[in-house]
Amino acid sequence: QVQVVQSGAEVKKPGASVTVSCKTSEYTFTSYYIHWVRQAPGQGLQYMGIIDPRGGTTGYAQKFQGRVTMTRDTSTSTVYMDLRGLTSDDTAVYYCVTERPGSGGFDVWGQGTLVTVSS
Amino acid sequence: QSALTQPASVSGSPGQSITISCTGTSSDVGSSRLVSWYQQYPGKAPKLMIYEVNKRPSGVSNRFSGSKSGNTASLTISGLQAEDEADYYCCSYASSRTYVFGTGSKVTVL
Repeated sequence: QVQVVQSGAEVKKPGASVTVSCKTSEYTFTSYYIHWVRQAPGQGLQYMGIIDPRGGTTGYAQKFQGRVTMTRDTSTSTVYMDLRGLTSDDTAVYYCVTERPGSGGFDVWGQGTLVTVSS
Repeated sequence: QSALTQPASVSGSPGQSITISCTGTSSDVGSSRLVSWYQQYPGKAPKLMIYEVNKRPSGVSNRFSGSKSGNTASLTISGLQAEDEADYYCCSYASSRTYVFGTGSKVTVL
């Protein structure tokens, strides 16, 4: 059964870092890719990157390279997204979402995590 | 990687068909079969409607169909219903395992 549950809302100051977690089932962790997508208030979807939990291989959108790191913990079937150097432009709902490898379809979405960046 | 271009809004009357376009480049939409479409209601997570250009996940109405020609993908909603009023986003494989989303289209049922 494919499922993902994200960590709760965060409030951060400019310049800080944030870590959002995405806990999956063991089946999901070993069978699916995990992508991260964000959506600023009133704005569209923005792709951030991918992690293959099986081997930890990652790929980041150019906009976020150097500022984002995606990791995983095999013991808890959890994926993490770290974003550094936060500005107010990073205020958004962050989603983790699964992809059956090779399908290109993002099928099971987390509930979203609101990250607010404010001084 | 620039966002794929979608019309900001598309509207139609109940029962009509509408088509949402999604224009990219030869580096993304034009060269990939991994084009997908998402429906999103306000305050909710997106929902996968189409993947691999024209495949529907289980449970998605067959009123939704996808196609692609050159650098432009399209989502057609036939027999438009009030419940179809939502935002729609396309997405395409871009490069180095990453993807790019469209700018989004708001569908209004008149």
